[in-house]
Amino acid sequence: KQEVTQIPAALSVPEGENLVLNCSFTDSAIYNLQWFRQDPGKGLTSLLLIQSSQREQTSGRLNASLDKSSGRSTLYIAASQPGDSATYLCAVRKRSSNTGKLIFGQGTTLQVKP
Amino acid sequence: NAGVTQTPKFQVLKTGQSMTLQCAQDMNHEYMSWYRQDPGMGLRLIHYSVGAGITDQGEVPNGYNVSRSTTEDFPLRLLSAAPSQTSVYFCASSYAAGGYGGNTIYFGEGSWLTVV
Repeated sequence: KQEVTQIPAALSVPEGENLVLNCSFTDSAIYNLQWFRQDPGKGLTSLLLIQSSQREQTSGRLNASLDKSSGRSTLYIAASQPGDSATYLCAVRKRSSNTGKLIFGQGTTLQVKP
Repeated sequence: NAGVTQTPKFQVLKTGQSMTLQCAQDMNHEYMSWYRQDPGMGLRLIHYSVGAGITDQGEVPNGYNVSRSTTEDFPLRLLSAAPSQTSVYFCASSYAAGGYGGNTIYFGEGSWLTVV
């Protein structure tokens, strides 16, 4: 059974700091891994999608890496800003499933202090 | 291009009432799905559809019905609301259920449902 774990559950950093959020998964048979951002009372916004054949994806100050063999992904946020405060979720789409189901981690809640 | 649109945003129901959460997408996506998000449980798949006229159950389908008469719309119906269905509901869509790795899934803004 595919399980997704995110560590830490919460993180508080001062503005300007570079930070790394971690995501691990137990089954490497995935189509892709997607990182989302969720603001309080809002939906999920897709940040980055890494295909199973890729090692990393970048968008602005965000960089996501994927090591399928070890079942790990990281989301690197450079020069953090208070506006980055949100919950970050990673999710994998299993290759063996035809439901299209995403399996989510519990999320990391990030607070960036001015 | 509005993406995935859900209505209503907020709803309070009495136990036993029925209601429909609406979901529409304008990206011509074949795959649509409904999730519920609960504290400590994360997001769980309720129902999904791989195309018009085709629906199937996810991991927590009891108490919910879906239909897919058009590519654009995928409503979720609560048959007889129960307090256990108090949750945040998200509709999501993507080009396909899987098939290739570049298949981004897009979520709606969510519907907050309280059953009293």
